[in-house]
Amino acid sequence: DAGITQSPRHKVTETGTPVTLRCHQTENHRYMYWYRQDPGHGLRLIHYSYGVKDTDKGEVSDGYSVSRSKTEDFLLTLESATSSQTSVYFCAISEGGDTQYFGPGTRLTVL
Amino acid sequence: AQSVTQLDSQVPVFEEAPVELRCNYSSSVSVYLFWYVQYPNQGLQLLLKYLSGSTLVKGINGFEAEFNKSQTSFHLRKPSVHISDTAEYFCAVSRGSNYKLTFGKGTLLTVNP
Repeated sequence: DAGITQSPRHKVTETGTPVTLRCHQTENHRYMYWYRQDPGHGLRLIHYSYGVKDTDKGEVSDGYSVSRSKTEDFLLTLESATSSQTSVYFCAISEGGDTQYFGPGTRLTVL
Repeated sequence: AQSVTQLDSQVPVFEEAPVELRCNYSSSVSVYLFWYVQYPNQGLQLLLKYLSGSTLVKGINGFEAEFNKSQTSFHLRKPSVHISDTAEYFCAVSRGSNYKLTFGKGTLLTVNP
């Protein structure tokens, strides 16, 4: 398995609070991605990174920001969490741009 | 833009029966195609992928898929399923140059004894 960890694995928070999810890889892969998974929607791309300090938006980026200051870490921040951001969040990594490998996920509940 | 349609949201089958999970895609350019599997409360695991070459692709756990360019399809098949194949299966497509995956909404395969 690709060396990808996500933290925390579970989080319950309240509307309006900031939340940061962390993705850490030990594979030294160039590309990193954040997805959210919701019933009936599959996985949708939030943001991705193609190198340190290089990031871009995905299809559902509103309300989310990301940062990548080191190759191994990709942070997803919800500046002010809303109930619509209750979801399971997956991080993925890729080296050559074709195959992506996924982390175990973070289940976030916003009350 | 690219899109993926998984034609069945749920597929129930009996153990040892054959199964086909259908996937159609739309894209104006050449694509890479993938099938991922997600077991309950786990992340996604790559089953198989088509990048180029032979249109019949074999993956892990006895699964295979066939790329059909004229029908823009990439259906997943297994000749005899096991209880342990119960999971959700996702088809995904990417344009080779942009490194972003677009997923279908998933097909829940339930294998009954």
